[in-house]
Amino acid sequence: AQTVTQSQPEMSVQEAETVTLSCTYDTSENNYYLFWYKQPPSRQMILVIRQEAYKQQNATENRFSVNFQKAAKSFSLKISDSQLGDTAMYFCAFGRINSGYALNFGKGTSLLVTP
Amino acid sequence: DVKVTQSSRYLVKRTGEKVFLECVQDMDHENMFWYRQDPGLGLRLIYFSYDVKMKEKGDIPEGYSVSREKKERFSLILESASTNQTSMYLCASSLTSGSVDTQYFGPGTRLTVL
Repeated sequence: AQTVTQSQPEMSVQEAETVTLSCTYDTSENNYYLFWYKQPPSRQMILVIRQEAYKQQNATENRFSVNFQKAAKSFSLKISDSQLGDTAMYFCAFGRINSGYALNFGKGTSLLVTP
Repeated sequence: DVKVTQSSRYLVKRTGEKVFLECVQDMDHENMFWYRQDPGLGLRLIYFSYDVKMKEKGDIPEGYSVSREKKERFSLILESASTNQTSMYLCASSLTSGSVDTQYFGPGTRLTVL
């Protein structure tokens, strides 16, 4: 079974600073998908960024980027120029090819951005 | 924009009651999912469906069933609610059954079983 580990239950960062959230996973598959989702307080879960394992180039979406290390099975999320609206729970997820493409989620990292 | 709606944001039920949680998506997505979210545990998959009338068990199906009579609607049923089913329930949908597409989530239903 694919497991996803987020080792930082809580983190905080000051506005305009950069923060990195870590995620490791375990799988025997060669091709798979990885995601970071964001869940703001009392709001809907939304996709932040996705990475396909066969692509070596790290995905980037505006201030959000990933550091994908396939051999190390590591998938960290970097948030640059942090904003107050980035305060949220962040979940790393692994896309399961053989289960209706459901997602295996980590336990989440609660990120607080302070003024 | 994709929209996934859930019938209730908050629900309070009694032990032993039959509970229905409804989820509707408006983008003709093939896949639909029910997850349960608990603090410190992340999200866990209960059931999923890749087509009308098709359903598959996820990781924690015990005590739950599902129904998908129409493509846009996926219902989660608690046959006899118990206190350990108090949780946040999230519905999600994705476009095709041929790849790991982005999942779009509903706002969640916070269920309390007394």
